[in-house]
Amino acid sequence: QLQLQESGPGLVKPSETLSLTCTVSGGSISSSSYYWGWIRQPPGKGLEWIGSIYYSGSTYYNPSLKSRVTISVDTSKNQFSLKLSSVTAADTAVYYCARLRAATRAFDIWGQGTMVTVSS
Amino acid sequence: QSALTQPASVSGSPGQSITISCTGTSSDVGSYNLVSWYQQHPGKAPKLMIYEVSKRPSGVSNRFSGSKSGNTASLTISGLQAEDEADYYCCSYAGSSTGYVFGTGTKVTVL
Repeated sequence: QLQLQESGPGLVKPSETLSLTCTVSGGSISSSSYYWGWIRQPPGKGLEWIGSIYYSGSTYYNPSLKSRVTISVDTSKNQFSLKLSSVTAADTAVYYCARLRAATRAFDIWGQGTMVTVSS
Repeated sequence: QSALTQPASVSGSPGQSITISCTGTSSDVGSYNLVSWYQQHPGKAPKLMIYEVSKRPSGVSNRFSGSKSGNTASLTISGLQAEDEADYYCCSYAGSSTGYVFGTGTKVTVL
């Protein structure tokens, strides 16, 4: 069945850019039925939607993060990626990638998550 | 966009029913029947439990049910079991310019 796996550095320095990749296996990222999204969860806190992308490349972002976020897709590698610039300690979180079913607007399959710490 | 409001904690004894509320605004919960609910056990990824307010994905127990009235959505767990002890989050679509808003989260404790 479809699986998602996040990958990327676990430690990022303040003011630098956080970069993560989500690899989709067991299915195609190019399905017209789905978007693909990033959600984060600071330690001990709740979930926050970061943004989503369609296989065509169309994106939409959380307005509170929009100025710092870029999400891209590479259909040839069945991957999508997150870049978050000018990070601070407040960006320390577990970052999840997830499949978003277009018709129901629900995140139905999640990756296991990856912890990213912002520290010098 | 502010997070949807959930009670911080809800508890119940095995076999009882509990309800978790999720209060938003007329721009999110009140405007769309696109509320979903997620269960998260410690150290694990969230799991979809309810979508489109009241629909259950295949494999989710029928002890979980959802509803909505106005700007407030609700998740009810009936016949509470020890395995239901987890954090629960609601989420609502809020339009193309805002995207998705999650709730503040509710810790469910089985007494």
